[in-house]
Amino acid sequence: DTGVSQDPRHKITKRGQNVTFRCDPISEHNRLYWYRQTLGQGPEFLTYFQNEAQLEKSRLLSDRFSAERPKGSFSTLEIQRTEQGDSAMYLCASSSTSGVVTGELFFGEGSRLTVL
Amino acid sequence: AQKVTQAQTEISVVEKEDVTLDCVYETRDTTYYLFWYKQPPSGELVFLIRRNSFDEQNEISGRYSWNFQKSTSSFNFTITASQVVDSAVYFCALSERGYQKVTFGTGTKLQVIP
Repeated sequence: DTGVSQDPRHKITKRGQNVTFRCDPISEHNRLYWYRQTLGQGPEFLTYFQNEAQLEKSRLLSDRFSAERPKGSFSTLEIQRTEQGDSAMYLCASSSTSGVVTGELFFGEGSRLTVL
Repeated sequence: AQKVTQAQTEISVVEKEDVTLDCVYETRDTTYYLFWYKQPPSGELVFLIRRNSFDEQNEISGRYSWNFQKSTSSFNFTITASQVVDSAVYFCALSERGYQKVTFGTGTKLQVIP
């Protein structure tokens, strides 16, 4: 059983460029979460999906951020017109709401974004 | 709104000492879930434990134990006889409404010195 995988692991971009991150959750998990983590801080909730439906989006998330999960499997997080303040680790996590539900989030290794 | 506070930013202990990591939470819901996660230097967050708001029994798992007190809105984590491998950042987290949005605290960095 493979875990949550994220791609790319590292991305360096210039301010103003668009970037896209991909997350492949654990295959039987119906929930998928995106978090952002900066140095010395805890993961900050961005958004989450149940299957293909985006159920909640953080009010802190600007319109430059968009996430999709078109077929209820993998998800993409796009950041348009990147700013230096977007530099962070973007974490994806998945969980299951069927069977024995523990609420445990399974995290990927993250995608580190550096905006120059 | 849900909130998790971990007042201890960094803690250093000598190996074999006991250490307690504090967590205080805020929520308006009567049904909620509390978690602890570990983030080792390698970076990937790892789940340690979940408690629900109806179960205030303390839990022990090997060298780890958790003390949940609703009266003080606290969910503290104790490592007994700490080891170097325990060095990591530990996050307390809270979820309302059936494991939906999970809110994390700012974490406590634990350094265990050999």
